[in-house]
Amino acid sequence: AQRVTQPEKLLSVFKGAPVELKCNYSYSGSPELFWYVQYSRQRLQLLLRHISRESIKGFTADLNKGETSFHLKKPFAQEEDSAMYYCALSNTGFQKLVFGTGTRLLVSP
Amino acid sequence: DAGVTQSPTHLIKTRGQQVTLRCSPKSGHDTVSWYQQALGQGPQFIFQYYEEEERQRGNFPDRFSGHQFPNYSSELNVNALLLGDSALYLCASSSLRTGSNQPQHFGDGTRLSIL
Repeated sequence: AQRVTQPEKLLSVFKGAPVELKCNYSYSGSPELFWYVQYSRQRLQLLLRHISRESIKGFTADLNKGETSFHLKKPFAQEEDSAMYYCALSNTGFQKLVFGTGTRLLVSP
Repeated sequence: DAGVTQSPTHLIKTRGQQVTLRCSPKSGHDTVSWYQQALGQGPQFIFQYYEEEERQRGNFPDRFSGHQFPNYSSELNVNALLLGDSALYLCASSSLRTGSNQPQHFGDGTRLSIL
């Protein structure tokens, strides 16, 4: 079965602190992994995907197939990073996205 | 480009009624997917339409049906509404014609409340 697990509903950090949002998945095959973000009063938008291997807004995520994880990291959190973050996977070629339940990141000054 | 647009933004219905939600994809996109997002949950895939055909379907009863038009816009229909159908319904578009690994772009959603 395809499943994405985000164990933390809420992650609260201070500005400048490192951030790690956890994501574990179960999937038989080679999925594509994504992080989507939803800022307050905005639509869900793609933050990054594992095949791009790029850093967006200072965030990075590495796919660890051994641990079936795709944790999102940022070394120094900013207040504007406060948002809802969803980890998702898709079956290559079919685009059906399976989402986790999301983690709310709150960055305090 | 306004991106993915959905209508209406809010809708209130009663149990047993039927509802139609509409979605216009981002310019240049040919594929539309629908998701249901219950409160406190992540979006759940309902189905995807490409070339006016249902291409993939999630674990939803056949009370949920859809349609895609030649201009790539799409409708989601839900019959015999239940209280549990109350949710935010999201539409996402992408372009399968340019490659299956194109990311999906989401609309703002339609908030459906069942009384």
